[in-house]
Amino acid sequence: DAGVIQSPRHEVTEMGQEVTLRCKPISGHNSLFWYRQTMMRGLELLIYFNNNVPIDDSGMPEDRFSAKMPNASFSTLKIQPSEPRDSAVYFCASTRRFNTEAFFGQGTRLTVV
Amino acid sequence: AQTVTQSQPEMSVQEAETVTLSCTYDTSESNYYLFWYKQPPSRQMILVIRQEAYKQQNATENRFSVNFQKAAKSFSLKISDSQLGDTAMYFCAFILNNNDMRFGAGTRLTVKP
Repeated sequence: DAGVIQSPRHEVTEMGQEVTLRCKPISGHNSLFWYRQTMMRGLELLIYFNNNVPIDDSGMPEDRFSAKMPNASFSTLKIQPSEPRDSAVYFCASTRRFNTEAFFGQGTRLTVV
Repeated sequence: AQTVTQSQPEMSVQEAETVTLSCTYDTSESNYYLFWYKQPPSRQMILVIRQEAYKQQNATENRFSVNFQKAAKSFSLKISDSQLGDTAMYFCAFILNNNDMRFGAGTRLTVKP
């Protein structure tokens, strides 16, 4: 298996623009997570899905953030409009069950100027 | 609230010495798993060790071992015979049986030659 695949690896955008991050989880995994990594806060859980259904989105910082999982093999995290404080590394991860390892993508480094 | 606290933002250790990274967590659930992940400069997230909350015996993986104190909600990582390749960010995490997975802010470990 190719592992969790995220795209793009790097994204530079201007403030106010819409940004869409994409994730393909490992086939057969039932849960998908979106995290944001910053120096100050470490890995923050933004939202997670079980069987394509959003379970907890309390970590989504503002209404500017939204996430979807239309099927078991694809998820998106959208920021509209983007702001400089959204600059961070965004990770997607997936797992089969809670007692097994979560596998992470390589992350997307987002820079909003 | 489900939280993970790593109180040591940065640590350093001499090569071949032993170092212990601290982690405390808070959850009202009784069934969960605990993890330590390593993140080298490549940004890849690598599972180091896993502990089931119901097991009293501390997990061990080669040079890595944990001290799990369930009553105190403490889960420290001990690295023995530190190697230069151990230099990385280390994240403590737990996952509940609803797949809610939380991470701490991380500890940046530097192994000095």
